[in-house]
Amino acid sequence: DVKVTQSSRYLVKRTGEKVFLECVQDMDHENMFWYRQDPGLGLRLIYFSYDVKMKEKGDIPEGYSVSREKKERFSLILESASTNQTSMYLCASSPRPGDYEQYFGPGTRLTVT
Amino acid sequence: GENVEQHPSTLSVQEGDSAVIKCTYSDSASNYFPWYKQELGKRPQLIIDIRSNVGEKKDQRIAVTLNKTAKHFSLHITETQPEDSAVYFCAASRGTYKYIFGTGTRLKVLA
Repeated sequence: DVKVTQSSRYLVKRTGEKVFLECVQDMDHENMFWYRQDPGLGLRLIYFSYDVKMKEKGDIPEGYSVSREKKERFSLILESASTNQTSMYLCASSPRPGDYEQYFGPGTRLTVT
Repeated sequence: GENVEQHPSTLSVQEGDSAVIKCTYSDSASNYFPWYKQELGKRPQLIIDIRSNVGEKKDQRIAVTLNKTAKHFSLHITETQPEDSAVYFCAASRGTYKYIFGTGTRLKVLA
């Protein structure tokens, strides 16, 4: 079974803090993704990575950056957290280009106060 | 820009009835259309998918139909059960790696 894990289920941070969300997959998948999920808006892509050290912006990258130093690990960084970044963050991975099924992690509920 | 519209946003059906969720996409290059189910407090999981060279696909009580000309696809669940209650997301592929998701449908199956 593919396993995608995220470092925290719940996180509370203060405005202006730098926040790190980590995601690890154990199936040697090439592609990894970060989404945020908000009621009524579905899942929106923040960033994705198609190889180690390779990344591409998604639809809502503003205020976020990412890091992928190792194939199994993909980190989402909020440089200076703001209240409008309060959301559920979901990480996902998929095996290779064209192999589209994405496997999701359990999510991190981030609250910025 | 590219988008996927999903309707309805909420759907309540009696146990045993059928449920239909519809999606429309804008990118004519999309060639893969998955459906994910997300139960309360859990991660989204793929339940069925269809590629553009196929018009219909069925897996037990769930089926997906695709009309490429009209750019719409639908999820059909027959003989609904309480465990079908969840949020369902459709998606359409973008390029080689990515999807764009619909906004989700909350399905409630009433016992």
